[in-house]
Amino acid sequence: DGGITQSPKYLFRKEGQNVTLSCEQNLNHDAMYWYRQDPGQGLRLIYYSQIVNDFQKGDIAEGYSVSREKKESFPLTVTSAQKNPTAFYLCASKSSGSEQFFGPGTRLTVL
Amino acid sequence: GQNIDQPTEMTATEGAIVQINCTYQTSGFNGLFWYQQHAGEAPTFLSYNVLDGLEEKGRFSSFLSRSKGYSYLLLKELQMKDSASYLCAVRYSSASKIIFGSGTRLSIRP
Repeated sequence: DGGITQSPKYLFRKEGQNVTLSCEQNLNHDAMYWYRQDPGQGLRLIYYSQIVNDFQKGDIAEGYSVSREKKESFPLTVTSAQKNPTAFYLCASKSSGSEQFFGPGTRLTVL
Repeated sequence: GQNIDQPTEMTATEGAIVQINCTYQTSGFNGLFWYQQHAGEAPTFLSYNVLDGLEEKGRFSSFLSRSKGYSYLLLKELQMKDSASYLCAVRYSSASKIIFGSGTRLSIRP
């Protein structure tokens, strides 16, 4: 089945540690996205990538990094520089002219 | 910035009709999406508008006025399962950059 997967579903991290969230899609989509969602809030764009080996900062990129070495994969690293990383992280992909398809999300908690 | 504004919360009655409004900055506009999101889940696609007018899809319709920077989502024959957040999202100049509003939390009462 085609789709977009994120792992893990729940993630706990100690303050000061970097952590990488996985996002994989087999939809053959060119564009991929990372959003952050805080309780009761909308989605805020962290990074997006329109094509392999290229990505752009969104509105809240500070403290995060990404890579796009393969079309199928767009991992997000939450670094220790991110002051308030506890949130729900959503990955999405789309092809040109279509809507975004979202993964199930990763809930990150910093202890 | 590219502010997208929606009401924070709305309440409606089962069987009724509700309209959720969304306003956005028009510069660089290149399409508008509506998504539904149940608590703790990923958003699911409802509708897409790029030209002015009304798009109807079953109980849900979406309207766009590009000159006014305005859209609404209309939900008819409300059901309890329609209780969710509704997110307005706008695609700007770059075909891939998509920005979301803060969402409207809709509660349906019997």
